[in-house]
Amino acid sequence: DGGITQSPKYLFRKEGQNVTLSCEQNLNHDAMYWYRQDPGQGLRLIYYSQIVNDFQKGDIAEGYSVSREKKESFPLTVTSAQKNPTAFYLCASSIYGTSGAFFGPGTRLTVL
Amino acid sequence: QQQVKQSPQSLIVQKGGIPIINCAYENTAFDYFPWYQQFPGKGPALLIAIRPDVSEKKEGRFTISFNKSAKQFSLHIMDSQPGDSATYFCAATTSAAMTTDSWGKLQFGAGTQVVVTP
Repeated sequence: DGGITQSPKYLFRKEGQNVTLSCEQNLNHDAMYWYRQDPGQGLRLIYYSQIVNDFQKGDIAEGYSVSREKKESFPLTVTSAQKNPTAFYLCASSIYGTSGAFFGPGTRLTVL
Repeated sequence: QQQVKQSPQSLIVQKGGIPIINCAYENTAFDYFPWYQQFPGKGPALLIAIRPDVSEKKEGRFTISFNKSAKQFSLHIMDSQPGDSATYFCAATTSAAMTTDSWGKLQFGAGTQVVVTP
């Protein structure tokens, strides 16, 4: 089955720790995205990548980092510089030439 | 500042009613307007989408109306069912036909929580 997988489903972080969220897609999509969702604020773009080895900052990139070494993978690292990381993180992907992005199931990150 | 404004924040309708969700945008470079449906704890699912050269699009019980001059679009859920109870997000983006470097970046509205009572 083609799709987007995110792991883990739930993640707990202590203050000062970096954590990495995994996102893999087997849809052969060109672009991949990371969004953050907070209650009442919709989804906000953190980073996006349209091609391997290239990525761009979104609207709220501070405190986050990404890499795109393979077309199918786009991991997100939440660093200790992100002061309010508790949120629902969603990965998405899309094909070049179309604009409908497909989302993964999400990772819920909680800071202890 | 949100580039896409969505209203209402929540609404409750009876089974068979027609919830209507409205969205407005400012950026005239947007040329693709999808709607997403999200259930609690799940990722959003693409529901239906429209381009500005079309004034209306229907897929099953879901209809998008688009008013290019007013820069507004809306989602209607016909014959709503309790299973339609979810949060709905409108979004807007610029396609690859319009831009080479920022295509596909979705700007989302804040979401509307729809409850359909039995």
